Amino acid sequence: AQSVTQLGSHVSVSEGALVLLRCNYSSSVPPYLFWYVQYPNQGLQLLLKYTSAATLVKGINGFEAEFKKSETSFHLTKPSAHMSDAAEYFCAVSFTGNQFYFGTGTSLTVIP
Amino acid sequence: NAGVTQTPKFRVLKTGQSMTLLCAQDMNHEYMYWYRQDPGMGLRLIHYSVGEGTTAKGEVPDGYNVSRLKKQNFLLGLESAAPSQTSVYFCASSTSNYGYTFGSGTRLTVV
Repeated sequence: AQSVTQLGSHVSVSEGALVLLRCNYSSSVPPYLFWYVQYPNQGLQLLLKYTSAATLVKGINGFEAEFKKSETSFHLTKPSAHMSDAAEYFCAVSFTGNQFYFGTGTSLTVIP
Repeated sequence: NAGVTQTPKFRVLKTGQSMTLLCAQDMNHEYMYWYRQDPGMGLRLIHYSVGEGTTAKGEVPDGYNVSRLKKQNFLLGLESAAPSQTSVYFCASSTSNYGYTFGSGTRLTVV
């Protein structure tokens, strides 16, 4: 069965510091991988997606993620955190296209 | 604006009452989904549909029913609400493996 694990339910970084949010997947075949962001009292917005093209994927708001098959990982990074990046981030995986499996989320706090 | 619209945005029910949540999309997407979001548990799939007239169970379908009579609409029903169904419900739609479009959510409290 495929699943996705997000390491760290809460991450705090200082403004201007590197953001690193971790995601590992469990699947016998590389799936499609996604990162979503959720701001308070809002729905989820797509940040970026991996669909078997380039392994380094660039998304919106300066975020990027690298697909590493050997590590079954798809970690999300941003070189310099902004206050506006404070939100909940979800990693998601899909293989069939009919069902997406979401991680439990990582809450990012940015300290001024 | 094109997207996914959920109604209502907030609702309080008494235990045993019934209600229907409506999801409407205007992007001509084939797939539609209902998720619930609970603290520390991420999003869990309740039911989904791969096309008009089709529905399928997801990870946590018990206590819910769905219908997709029109391609653009996906209804989620609670026949007899229970406090365990207190949650935030999200609808989403998609055309492929290339990501969902989510609605803004319905916050349901069952007392």
